[in-house]
Amino acid sequence: AQSVTQLGSHVSVSEGALVLLRCNYSSSVPPYLFWYVQYPNQGLQLLLKYTSAATLVKGINGFEAEFKKSETSFHLTKPSAHMSDAAEYFCAVSEEGGATNKLIFGTGTLLAVQP
Amino acid sequence: DAGVTQSPTHLIKTRGQHVTLRCSPISGHKSVSWYQQVLGQGPQFIFQYYEKEERGRGNFPDRFSARQFPNYSSELNVNALLLGDSALYLCASSKSLSRGNTEAFFGQGTRLTVV
Repeated sequence: AQSVTQLGSHVSVSEGALVLLRCNYSSSVPPYLFWYVQYPNQGLQLLLKYTSAATLVKGINGFEAEFKKSETSFHLTKPSAHMSDAAEYFCAVSEEGGATNKLIFGTGTLLAVQP
Repeated sequence: DAGVTQSPTHLIKTRGQHVTLRCSPISGHKSVSWYQQVLGQGPQFIFQYYEKEERGRGNFPDRFSARQFPNYSSELNVNALLLGDSALYLCASSKSLSRGNTEAFFGQGTRLTVV
Protein backbone atom coordinates (compact mmCIF):
# COMPACT_ATOMS: atom_id res chain seq x y z
CA ALA A 1 0.00 0.00 0.00
CA GLN A 2 1.17 3.51 -0.74
CA SER A 3 1.54 6.19 1.89
CA VAL A 4 3.17 9.51 2.64
CA THR A 5 4.63 10.69 5.91
CA GLN A 6 5.04 14.35 6.76
CA LEU A 7 7.69 15.04 9.38
CA GLY A 8 6.80 17.92 11.65
CA SER A 9 3.19 18.82 12.26
CA HIS A 10 4.17 22.43 12.99
CA VAL A 11 6.95 24.46 11.39
CA SER A 12 7.72 28.08 12.25
CA VAL A 13 10.00 30.32 10.20
CA SER A 14 10.80 34.00 10.10
CA GLU A 15 9.68 36.13 7.19
CA GLY A 16 12.39 35.94 4.52
CA ALA A 17 13.81 32.65 5.78
CA LEU A 18 13.97 29.37 3.91
CA VAL A 19 10.88 27.17 4.07
CA LEU A 20 11.46 23.39 4.16
CA LEU A 21 8.53 21.03 4.61
CA ARG A 22 9.36 17.34 4.63
CA CYS A 23 7.52 14.49 2.94
CA ASN A 24 8.60 10.87 2.55
CA TYR A 25 6.67 8.39 0.48
CA SER A 26 6.25 4.64 0.37
CA SER A 27 5.42 3.06 -2.98
CA SER A 28 6.31 -0.13 -4.82
CA VAL A 29 5.88 1.59 -8.19
CA PRO A 30 6.97 5.03 -9.48
CA PRO A 31 4.67 7.39 -7.62
CA TYR A 32 2.71 10.44 -8.63
CA LEU A 33 3.23 12.97 -5.83
CA PHE A 34 1.49 16.22 -5.01
CA TRP A 35 1.72 19.15 -2.61
CA TYR A 36 -1.48 20.97 -1.68
CA VAL A 37 -1.97 24.09 0.46
CA GLN A 38 -5.00 24.80 2.63
CA TYR A 39 -5.72 28.27 4.00
CA PRO A 40 -8.04 28.60 7.01
CA ASN A 41 -11.62 27.65 6.21
CA GLN A 42 -10.72 26.92 2.60
CA GLY A 43 -10.42 23.89 0.36
CA LEU A 44 -7.17 22.54 -1.03
CA GLN A 45 -5.14 24.24 -3.74
CA LEU A 46 -2.55 22.39 -5.79
CA LEU A 47 0.97 23.82 -5.41
CA LEU A 48 2.82 21.35 -7.62
CA LYS A 49 2.92 17.76 -8.80
CA TYR A 50 5.54 15.18 -9.75
CA THR A 51 4.64 12.86 -12.60
CA SER A 52 8.11 11.51 -13.49
CA ALA A 53 8.96 14.12 -16.14
CA ALA A 54 11.56 16.04 -14.11
CA THR A 55 12.85 15.49 -10.59
CA LEU A 56 12.81 19.21 -9.71
CA VAL A 57 9.29 20.50 -9.91
CA LYS A 58 8.39 24.19 -9.78
CA GLY A 59 4.99 25.24 -8.54
CA ILE A 60 2.99 28.32 -7.80
CA ASN A 61 3.89 31.08 -5.33
CA GLY A 62 7.63 30.37 -5.58
CA PHE A 63 7.47 26.84 -4.18
CA GLU A 64 9.40 23.91 -5.58
CA ALA A 65 9.98 20.28 -4.66
CA GLU A 66 12.63 17.73 -5.55
CA PHE A 67 11.87 14.05 -6.06
CA LYS A 68 14.67 11.90 -4.63
CA LYS A 69 14.12 8.22 -5.27
CA SER A 70 17.14 7.14 -3.22
CA GLU A 71 15.71 8.92 -0.17
CA THR A 72 12.03 8.28 -1.03
CA SER A 73 11.49 11.98 -0.39
CA PHE A 74 9.59 14.85 -1.97
CA HIS A 75 10.37 17.83 0.24
CA LEU A 76 8.77 21.22 -0.42
CA THR A 77 10.93 24.35 -0.33
CA LYS A 78 10.69 28.09 -0.83
CA PRO A 79 13.78 30.31 -0.63
CA SER A 80 12.12 33.20 1.19
CA ALA A 81 8.99 32.93 3.32
CA HIS A 82 6.25 35.50 3.09
CA MET A 83 3.56 36.17 5.66
CA SER A 84 0.96 35.02 3.15
CA ASP A 85 2.55 31.53 3.12
CA ALA A 86 1.12 30.79 6.57
CA ALA A 87 -1.21 27.84 5.96
CA GLU A 88 -1.41 24.07 6.24
CA TYR A 89 0.45 22.03 3.66
CA PHE A 90 -0.38 18.48 2.63
CA CYS A 91 1.72 16.00 0.73
CA ALA A 92 -0.23 13.35 -1.22
CA VAL A 93 0.35 10.34 -3.43
CA SER A 94 -1.99 9.11 -6.14
CA GLU A 95 -2.96 5.53 -5.38
CA GLU A 96 -1.59 2.95 -7.78
CA GLY A 97 -3.91 0.30 -9.15
CA GLY A 98 -7.66 0.18 -8.86
CA ALA A 99 -10.15 2.18 -10.88
CA THR A 100 -9.69 5.58 -9.26
CA ASN A 101 -7.17 8.40 -9.08
CA LYS A 102 -7.78 8.87 -5.39
CA LEU A 103 -5.24 10.76 -3.35
CA ILE A 104 -3.69 9.49 -0.13
CA PHE A 105 -2.76 12.44 2.06
CA GLY A 106 -0.28 12.93 4.83
CA THR A 107 -1.33 14.40 8.15
CA GLY A 108 -0.29 17.91 7.17
CA THR A 109 2.24 20.51 8.31
CA LEU A 110 1.06 23.81 9.70
CA LEU A 111 3.43 26.57 8.63
CA ALA A 112 3.66 29.71 10.76
CA VAL A 113 5.57 32.74 9.47
CA GLN A 114 6.86 35.15 12.10
CA PRO A 115 7.41 38.85 11.25
CA ASP B 1 -14.95 29.83 -15.05
CA ALA B 2 -16.59 28.73 -11.82
CA GLY B 3 -14.61 26.36 -9.65
CA VAL B 4 -15.96 23.44 -7.66
CA THR B 5 -18.95 24.62 -5.64
CA GLN B 6 -20.24 22.94 -2.52
CA SER B 7 -23.36 23.57 -0.49
CA PRO B 8 -24.07 24.26 2.22
CA THR B 9 -20.87 25.77 3.63
CA HIS B 10 -21.78 25.03 7.23
CA LEU B 11 -24.27 22.65 8.78
CA ILE B 12 -25.22 21.66 12.31
CA LYS B 13 -27.07 18.37 12.82
CA THR B 14 -28.16 16.27 15.78
CA ARG B 15 -26.99 12.71 16.37
CA GLY B 16 -29.13 10.21 14.51
CA GLN B 17 -30.19 12.65 11.81
CA HIS B 18 -29.50 12.40 8.10
CA VAL B 19 -27.54 14.91 6.01
CA THR B 20 -27.13 15.58 2.28
CA LEU B 21 -24.15 17.50 0.94
CA ARG B 22 -23.99 18.76 -2.63
CA CYS B 23 -21.21 19.39 -5.11
CA SER B 24 -21.05 20.88 -8.59
CA PRO B 25 -17.85 20.08 -10.49
CA ILE B 26 -15.99 22.33 -12.87
CA SER B 27 -17.64 22.46 -16.28
CA GLY B 28 -16.29 19.64 -18.45
CA HIS B 29 -15.15 17.51 -15.52
CA LYS B 30 -16.75 14.09 -15.38
CA SER B 31 -15.31 12.82 -12.11
CA VAL B 32 -16.27 13.79 -8.58
CA SER B 33 -14.55 12.55 -5.44
CA TRP B 34 -15.53 13.05 -1.81
CA TYR B 35 -13.10 13.33 1.10
CA GLN B 36 -13.59 13.67 4.85
CA GLN B 37 -11.15 15.86 6.77
CA VAL B 38 -11.32 15.54 10.53
CA LEU B 39 -9.74 18.39 12.48
CA GLY B 40 -5.99 18.00 12.61
CA GLN B 41 -5.87 15.25 9.97
CA GLY B 42 -5.36 14.98 6.24
CA PRO B 43 -8.35 14.34 3.98
CA GLN B 44 -9.56 10.73 3.77
CA PHE B 45 -11.07 9.34 0.56
CA ILE B 46 -14.76 8.40 0.75
CA PHE B 47 -16.01 7.92 -2.84
CA GLN B 48 -15.18 8.60 -6.45
CA TYR B 49 -17.74 8.75 -9.25
CA TYR B 50 -17.04 8.93 -12.95
CA GLU B 51 -19.69 9.13 -15.64
CA LYS B 52 -22.34 8.51 -12.99
CA GLU B 53 -20.80 5.23 -11.86
CA GLU B 54 -19.11 4.55 -8.53
CA ARG B 55 -15.44 3.83 -9.26
CA GLY B 56 -14.07 3.61 -5.77
CA ARG B 57 -15.05 3.57 -2.15
CA GLY B 58 -12.93 4.23 0.91
CA ASN B 59 -13.09 2.57 4.30
CA PHE B 60 -16.34 4.15 5.48
CA PRO B 61 -19.49 2.48 6.85
CA ASP B 62 -22.60 1.89 4.80
CA ARG B 63 -24.18 4.94 6.44
CA PHE B 64 -22.26 6.89 3.82
CA SER B 65 -23.61 6.86 0.28
CA ALA B 66 -23.32 9.04 -2.79
CA ARG B 67 -24.53 9.43 -6.31
CA GLN B 68 -23.69 11.40 -9.42
CA PHE B 69 -26.29 12.96 -11.65
CA PRO B 70 -26.39 13.27 -15.47
CA ASN B 71 -25.02 16.83 -15.22
CA TYR B 72 -22.08 15.36 -13.21
CA SER B 73 -23.06 17.07 -9.97
CA SER B 74 -23.00 14.85 -6.91
CA GLU B 75 -24.58 14.30 -3.52
CA LEU B 76 -23.05 12.73 -0.43
CA ASN B 77 -25.54 11.30 2.04
CA VAL B 78 -24.81 10.30 5.60
CA ASN B 79 -27.43 8.50 7.70
CA ALA B 80 -27.68 8.03 11.46
CA LEU B 81 -25.13 10.74 12.18
CA LEU B 82 -22.57 10.17 14.91
CA LEU B 83 -20.52 12.76 16.77
CA GLY B 84 -17.47 11.37 14.99
CA ASP B 85 -18.90 12.40 11.62
CA SER B 86 -18.15 16.02 12.48
CA ALA B 87 -15.62 17.10 9.87
CA LEU B 88 -14.95 19.18 6.78
CA TYR B 89 -16.29 17.34 3.74
CA LEU B 90 -14.41 18.16 0.57
CA CYS B 91 -15.48 17.56 -2.98
CA ALA B 92 -12.92 17.33 -5.78
CA SER B 93 -13.51 17.26 -9.50
CA SER B 94 -11.22 16.08 -12.28
CA LYS B 95 -11.50 15.58 -16.03
CA SER B 96 -10.74 11.88 -15.96
CA LEU B 97 -9.44 9.03 -13.84
CA SER B 98 -5.86 9.44 -15.02
CA ARG B 99 -3.50 9.25 -12.04
CA GLY B 100 -0.87 11.76 -13.02
CA ASN B 101 -2.07 13.75 -15.96
CA THR B 102 -5.22 15.18 -14.49
CA GLU B 103 -5.43 17.56 -11.59
CA ALA B 104 -8.00 17.29 -8.81
CA PHE B 105 -9.63 20.63 -8.03
CA PHE B 106 -11.16 20.99 -4.58
CA GLY B 107 -14.15 22.95 -3.40
CA GLN B 108 -14.15 24.99 -0.20
CA GLY B 109 -15.88 22.20 1.68
CA THR B 110 -18.89 21.77 3.90
CA ARG B 111 -18.23 22.02 7.63
CA LEU B 112 -20.53 19.50 9.34
CA THR B 113 -20.96 19.66 13.09
CA VAL B 114 -22.90 16.88 14.81
CA VAL B 115 -24.17 17.69 18.31
